[in-house]
Amino acid sequence: NAGVTQTPKFQVLKTGQSMTLQCAQDMNHNSMYWYRQDPGMGLRLIYYSASEGTTDKGEVPNGYNVSRLNKREFSLRLESAAPSQTSVYFCASRLRGRESTDTQYFGPGTRLTVL
Amino acid sequence: GDSVTQMEGPVTLSEEACLTINCTYTATGYPSLFWYVQYPGEGLQLLLKATKADDKGSNKGFEATYRKETTSFHLEKGSVQVSDSAVYFCALRLFSGGYNKLIFGAGTRLAVHP
Repeated sequence: NAGVTQTPKFQVLKTGQSMTLQCAQDMNHNSMYWYRQDPGMGLRLIYYSASEGTTDKGEVPNGYNVSRLNKREFSLRLESAAPSQTSVYFCASRLRGRESTDTQYFGPGTRLTVL
Repeated sequence: GDSVTQMEGPVTLSEEACLTINCTYTATGYPSLFWYVQYPGEGLQLLLKATKADDKGSNKGFEATYRKETTSFHLEKGSVQVSDSAVYFCALRLFSGGYNKLIFGAGTRLAVHP
């Protein structure tokens, strides 16, 4: 049981290049999330997917697109990278249920630098 | 708007010292409260949680009590270890804007020296 996995771990892009960040979970969770983490700002939600086949914008969606490929996989795409997108990106999945057990589980992160 | 404020770091302590990391929140409704920990090079892990007022979350010697009257959820540990060195995030969860939203504080870095 690997939990939430992300690839790649590190990536350097030039301005204008595109790339896709991959995320997969093996916990049979319905909901998945993409966050970015910037110094001094905590984590901010980019997009989320409440269930397979649905995606919705979070707090900071501009410049990103997502695909919920199946129940396990949720990818984040940067079509034309900008230096402002330099950040650490975390994927998470959520065990939905009663309030006492409802929890998000995070992947190890992808550190992206855009030059 | 809804937000979480936690004390700025870094916090530097000697092993076996007492730890308090302050966290206060602003929210409409009745959020659940969380502490997450991020060890170097890793993702966030849930440390503890509390879902209603006066609940105490605890794990690995850490504790935090949901104080509705002061809108606080301070993290405490009586005796820290070097292995506790990490970044700690306070967060709240509430249903807003059509989805279950998790709002994080900026994080507090803890460094424990032998």
